[in-house]
Formats: sequence, structure tokens, C-alpha cells
Amino acid sequence: EAQVTQNPRYLITVTGKKLTVTCSQNMNHEYMSWYRQDPGLGLRQIYYSMNVEVTDKGDVPEGYKVSRKEKRNFPLILESPSPNQTSLYFCASSPKTGGSQPQHFGDGTRLSIL
Amino acid sequence: QQQVKQSPQSLIVQKGGIPIINCAYENTAFDYFPWYQQFPGKGPALLIAIRPDVSEKKEGRFTISFNKSAKQFSLHIMDSQPGDSATYFCAAGGKGGGYQKVTFGIGTKLQVIP
Repeated sequence: EAQVTQNPRYLITVTGKKLTVTCSQNMNHEYMSWYRQDPGLGLRQIYYSMNVEVTDKGDVPEGYKVSRKEKRNFPLILESPSPNQTSLYFCASSPKTGGSQPQHFGDGTRLSIL
Repeated sequence: QQQVKQSPQSLIVQKGGIPIINCAYENTAFDYFPWYQQFPGKGPALLIAIRPDVSEKKEGRFTISFNKSAKQFSLHIMDSQPGDSATYFCAAGGKGGGYQKVTFGIGTKLQVIP
């Protein structure tokens, strides 16, 4: 089954404790992206990757890091989480680079930073 | 800067009604306009998409109307059903801002009452 898998689905943690949210896709997609979803703000892009070892900032990159060492994986790293990063996070992938392709989303990771 | 403006934020209709959700964009470099449907606890899923060379696209009960000169597009749901109750996001994609990205609207929470 074609899918984007995120882990964990839920996480409660404390300020400053480094965490990683994993994302994996099994569709051999080139493009992967991370979004955060907040009430009244919709989906905002954090980082995206056009292919292995190629990443770039989206609209709200502050406080986040990403890496793309393999085509299927695109982890999101919060080096020193803060309460304003409490949000619902989505990973997405699309077959080819860019904004003119349909995106496949994971089911989300709800992060609470205390 | 909100590049895709979506309205209304919430909408309640009776079964059989025709909810309409509107979006407006600013960047003429956008060339892909998808709508995503999101159910609670799930990631957004592509519902229907249109490119600017057509003014309307219909898939089942869902129709996108596109007005290139006004830079507006809308989603119409014919004969709406309680199962259509979800959050709907419009988006615009392409080489906006000089790089490939997708920008989402803030979302519309639709409730269809029996």
C-alpha cells in the first residue's frame, strides 16, 4: 500500500529536550515536505526537499532541522523544542519536484511541548 | 504575507445543500490549484485539482470553478452529504516566489447536518 508513515503519532515532551519525528514514504517520490497545522493558520510549510541531499527552507523554518540522506526518509528534528512548537505536524511527498504535483500526506504527529 | 486567502473559515449546510468555498491567490506564477479534504485524525488527501488552462473541472459531486483574470477559484459540493463533513483546504502551487512550493489556505471546516 502506498503510504507516508510518520512516527510518533503523539508526543508530549519538555522544553529543550531534543526530539526527532520520522517520516518515510514507499512510493519512490522525489519531493518531500514538512508542514505544521495550527488553528486559524492552516498548513504552513517548514522545510522541503527536492531530492536526496537537497533541502530548503519553507515559510516557517525557525527552530527546525531536516536531512535527506535517503530518498524514502525525511526526518524533522527539533534541537531545542519550545512551547510555541506545540502543533500538529504533517509530512508529505509528491512524485516529482515542486508545487505542481499532488501531495500524499501522512496521518500527522501531534506534538505538545511543555 | 498570505498568498492564498480562503473563506469562509466554517460553514454549516443541510444535507442536499451546495456548500461553496472560495479562494483567491496573488502570485500569477502559480499553475496548479488543488483542493484537499481532511477528516479528524487524518492527513489531508487530494480531492480534486485544476490547472489554469481550464475554467471548470468536475469529479463526481465536486466541482472547481476557476477564474484566471480574477485570480480566484472555488469548490462546489453538489448534493452534500453528512459524510462530506470535513476540513477543506485550497492550495496553489508552482514556481511562486522563485522556487517550487505549495501554499495552502487556512482551511474551511464544513459541517453537513442531516
